[in-house]
Amino acid sequence: QVQLVQSGAEVKMPGSSVKVSCKASGGTLSSYAISWVRQAPGQGLEWMGGIIPIFGTANYAQKFQGRVTLTADRSTSTAYMELSSLTSEDTAVYYCARGAWARLENNWFDPWGQGTLVTVSS
Amino acid sequence: EIVLTQSPGTLSLSPGERATLSCRTSQNIISNFLAWYQQKPGQAPRLLIYGASSRATGIPARFSGSGSGTDFTLTISRLEPEDFAVYYCQQYDGSPKTFGQGTKLEIK
Repeated sequence: QVQLVQSGAEVKMPGSSVKVSCKASGGTLSSYAISWVRQAPGQGLEWMGGIIPIFGTANYAQKFQGRVTLTADRSTSTAYMELSSLTSEDTAVYYCARGAWARLENNWFDPWGQGTLVTVSS
Repeated sequence: EIVLTQSPGTLSLSPGERATLSCRTSQNIISNFLAWYQQKPGQAPRLLIYGASSRATGIPARFSGSGSGTDFTLTISRLEPEDFAVYYCQQYDGSPKTFGQGTKLEIK
């Protein structure tokens, strides 16, 4: 049973960037889409975008276009989410989640990583 | 963007009771591309239901999903203490994939 293990908590200055990793343990990422979802403190879930590691193709929610970059390293079964131009409104827990298929459309999410808290503060 | 509206916002019930959670979408969801997740404090969401009515692996039979079009329901037939959590619906028919605002199921 694959597990997704994310990198640790980050504290960032406004205007900087953060890069969060998501590594598959006990399986591979390549044959599935990986999405990134964030959750601000006390708030709901917000999909940011997805990537198919085997193809390297990605799509992004319009809200994050130009500010988020999704990449993947097939050799290490690791996906990455980089978010730039951080503001305090980007303070949130960021989750990676595996899709059901190797395509960007029509995916539910299972399993999820444990989450990475990113705090943006001066 | 497809907007999902969950109701009620908070549901107060006792263990052993039946819970009915609603999710209404702003557009028809084709092929029942709707999922339900459970989230407990400090934990990642956990998939319960996909395809509107298919239980995910390892999910107890007391959880069931139903509905089509724009109206979907998650039913927990007999609440166990561990079921008290926040529940989210999600559509994966269109992009962006969107979630409802959540229903908090609390112990009465």
